[in-house]
Amino acid sequence: GAVVSQHPSRVICKSGTSVKIECRSLDFQATTMFWYRQFPKKSLMLMATSNEGSKATYEQGVEKDKFLINHASLTLSTLTVTSAHPEDSSFYICSAAGQGVGEQYFGPGTRLTVT
Amino acid sequence: AQSVAQPEDQVNVAEGNPLTVKCTYSVSGNPYLFWYVQYPNRGLQFLLKYITGDNLVKGSYGFEAEFNKSQTSFHLKKPSALVSDSALYFCAVRQSTSGTYKYIFGTGTRLKVLA
Repeated sequence: GAVVSQHPSRVICKSGTSVKIECRSLDFQATTMFWYRQFPKKSLMLMATSNEGSKATYEQGVEKDKFLINHASLTLSTLTVTSAHPEDSSFYICSAAGQGVGEQYFGPGTRLTVT
Repeated sequence: AQSVAQPEDQVNVAEGNPLTVKCTYSVSGNPYLFWYVQYPNRGLQFLLKYITGDNLVKGSYGFEAEFNKSQTSFHLKKPSALVSDSALYFCAVRQSTSGTYKYIFGTGTRLKVLA
């Protein structure tokens, strides 16, 4: 399957600072990228859907000013957690999908800890 | 709205025995169904999908799933479980709305294969 990378894999930051997570599709053009948040032993919660060159579509209850998503190219999307708080600590996973009715390919995830 | 349900939080099976992880769906129109597996602190890996065609879909690592329209089910199966199959399994359905799409995930089923 296709390869999607995420960077960093782990990050610890202080409360009030911002953190940027990168998601790259390494071997295909991702017309759509998704950002998920996963709580311990819980399912994936879709945060937003982003299409290259357009604004992200956020799910209900997700603060767009807090979780900034940029999808500047067909291979790169970024999620910036602004003014992070301890409750933002979580496992963030991105995925990428090409055109057509296919599967999405997931990155390995980023563990964010806000102290 | 499309949805999937995974009624079991956990499934235990002895190594060498057949395994089944259940998934039921609720969709309007033709469903696009997927199974993913997640190992600890990792992203999700694609196992298999049903788009159209044969109701029995074969996927990675010896897994298969049967699409049953009358029972609205898409159960994941494997004839002989391995200890290494122990992981978290997610069923997902693709939801399309106004030219965009996203994936809706079930709550996940933890599979434990006992040696």
